[in-house]
Amino acid sequence: EVQLVESGGGLVQPGGSLRLSCAASGFIFSTDTMNWVRQAPGKGLEWVSYISYSSGTVDYADSVKGRFTISRDNAETSLSLQMNSLRDEDTAIYYCAREVDVSGYFDLWGRGTLVTVSS
Amino acid sequence: EIVMMQSPATLSVSPGERVTLSCRASQSVSSNLAWYQHKPGQAPRLLIYLASTRATGIPARFSGSGSGTEFTLTISSLQSEDFAVYYCQHARYTFGQGTKLEIK
Repeated sequence: EVQLVESGGGLVQPGGSLRLSCAASGFIFSTDTMNWVRQAPGKGLEWVSYISYSSGTVDYADSVKGRFTISRDNAETSLSLQMNSLRDEDTAIYYCAREVDVSGYFDLWGRGTLVTVSS
Repeated sequence: EIVMMQSPATLSVSPGERVTLSCRASQSVSSNLAWYQHKPGQAPRLLIYLASTRATGIPARFSGSGSGTEFTLTISSLQSEDFAVYYCQHARYTFGQGTKLEIK
């Protein structure tokens, strides 16, 4: 089955760290650009980060730049997001998403993992 | 920075009705626009890309149109499973704020 499954969310204090993972299956993960997108409570979708198929290119939203690091392991077909210096405003459901042919469109999403930043 | 603006924020409609959702870009994005459907607790779903091309497996009642700065998503006859939040997106980085379709 073609799917993405996120894990690693939870409750963390402000200033803390968390590492999210996304397990991919059912498709050739190593050829696809991958993204993280989040949705804060009561808000819309917000793009967070992307990584090219080879990890040669990465980019981040200004809101997370310098604090979050995206990475991937093509051998393990997994995507990660290391989140440091977490803030209250990082509270959200985090989704991983596959991008179609570097088009900017996301044709496969996971169900998300909830990150709550609170003291 | 391109901003995507959707209207209305909420739309109350009845099953079987035809509905049109709008998305406006702050500057021209050519046809580089996608539409997504999102239900609570589920993964978002790609409906339309390149402004008017239906994604794989998307029913024909969903159609997209527009170019430049004005875009629309039309659902020809609303089914019960269509009540959700709909987002437009430009070029990976920018989503609209969403339009919620609710049952009248």
